[in-house]
Amino acid sequence: GAVVSQHPSWVICKSGTSVKIECRSLDFQATTMFWYRQFPKQSLMLMATSNEGSKATYEQGVEKDKFLINHASLTLSTLTVTSAHPEDSSFYICSARDGTGVSQPQHFGDGTRLSIL
Amino acid sequence: GQQLNQSPQSMFIQEGEDVSMNCTSSSIFNTWLWYKQDPGEGPVLLIALYKAGELTSNGRLTAQFGITRKDSFLNISASIPSDVGIYFCAGQLNNDMRFGAGTRLTVKP
Repeated sequence: GAVVSQHPSWVICKSGTSVKIECRSLDFQATTMFWYRQFPKQSLMLMATSNEGSKATYEQGVEKDKFLINHASLTLSTLTVTSAHPEDSSFYICSARDGTGVSQPQHFGDGTRLSIL
Repeated sequence: GQQLNQSPQSMFIQEGEDVSMNCTSSSIFNTWLWYKQDPGEGPVLLIALYKAGELTSNGRLTAQFGITRKDSFLNISASIPSDVGIYFCAGQLNNDMRFGAGTRLTVKP
């Protein structure tokens, strides 16, 4: 149980393109989903907390107009990297919490490797 | 979020050896979690701890939630080659989850 699916797993695109990444909870409902960014050989860095039916909460230093988050249903959150540039190249990982209890663990998707040429 | 203090950064061990890694924090957490991440994949939950003092096992893995709620350790017994990967601790307090920097484990056959 508690499976999180992330799509696509790999994206290569030209500079200036906008890229959408989907995160789905397959066998549970997730009122809260999280988006992380991970650089090589580093830990996960929280970008934003996505709340179903309301605006996302962004961490300090993360541009909300650059990284658009939509959480339209209890099983789907999307992250759109707008007008992507090479410095946006990274490994993006989403997670979802099973249920509404804040003590419940986060379950992660398999990540999306974004490469901007 | 902020980083926890996770040690060691890396370990090189022989197959069959036991492994121990730990995390400490200056903050109290309600939940401690241990994840394993393989290259190019997302972290996979290994063990979740919910109570101070709790000791939980999952196969060859054993983890404990420190009494002070500021630390946790993970032990792996009789390591095998597929234990290779990066292990992350995470402390959770309400919506705030913080990760350790990771322990990179290499197991020599």
